[in-house]
Amino acid sequence: ETGVTQTPRHLVMGMTNKKSLKCEQHLGHNAMYWYKQSAKKPLELMFVYNFKEQTENNSVPSRFSPECPNSSHLFLHLHTLQPEDSALYLCASSQGLAHSYEQYFGPGTRLTVT
Amino acid sequence: KNQVEQSPQSLIILEGKNCTLQCNYTVSPFSNLRWYKQDTGRGPVSLTIMTFSENTKSNGRYTATLDADTKQSSLHITASQLSDSASYICVVTDGGSQGNLIFGKGTKLSVKP
Repeated sequence: ETGVTQTPRHLVMGMTNKKSLKCEQHLGHNAMYWYKQSAKKPLELMFVYNFKEQTENNSVPSRFSPECPNSSHLFLHLHTLQPEDSALYLCASSQGLAHSYEQYFGPGTRLTVT
Repeated sequence: KNQVEQSPQSLIILEGKNCTLQCNYTVSPFSNLRWYKQDTGRGPVSLTIMTFSENTKSNGRYTATLDADTKQSSLHITASQLSDSASYICVVTDGGSQGNLIFGKGTKLSVKP
């Protein structure tokens, strides 16, 4: 295990539902990330938090709303999603934002929007 | 535009055989290059990291090479095992102030008995 956990592991939701993804890291890291991984596409960075403050929003639609209450927890709130939002959502953490710090990934949440 | 291209897209080999995966990048400035292994249904796990001055880095049966002049990297897997079946992702960190990670699409490796 990498020290980064994600729940739920699988989620099926309708386009009118509201759900949340949870990520927790047990590594004492200060930075946390949300990525989207679609089939046959590179990982796409969505959000970056450093010391609970959002430092990057990579032009993500407002139907995705992140929340970082502390350095160990990261949430992704979902509402009125579209079928094309179906993907594997990965959370990662790192000691800091510097280039040399390795990112540790969670197992991901497989999201299906029907 | 910063890009990372990997080849082949997919590969099937027999258990015990060697294989080499390729990664070409156009990221500039360059900070480092990582190879990740991603098992099905799991998150990526780092195998190696190389900076500009490093030509090769090994991790068990995995050996990565880097040619910073031609902007190419390879990942060589020796004596493959069934557990090597996974996607292998090449990731380049740009050397700019934000240190963005540029991900390749990955190579899906299947090792057959």
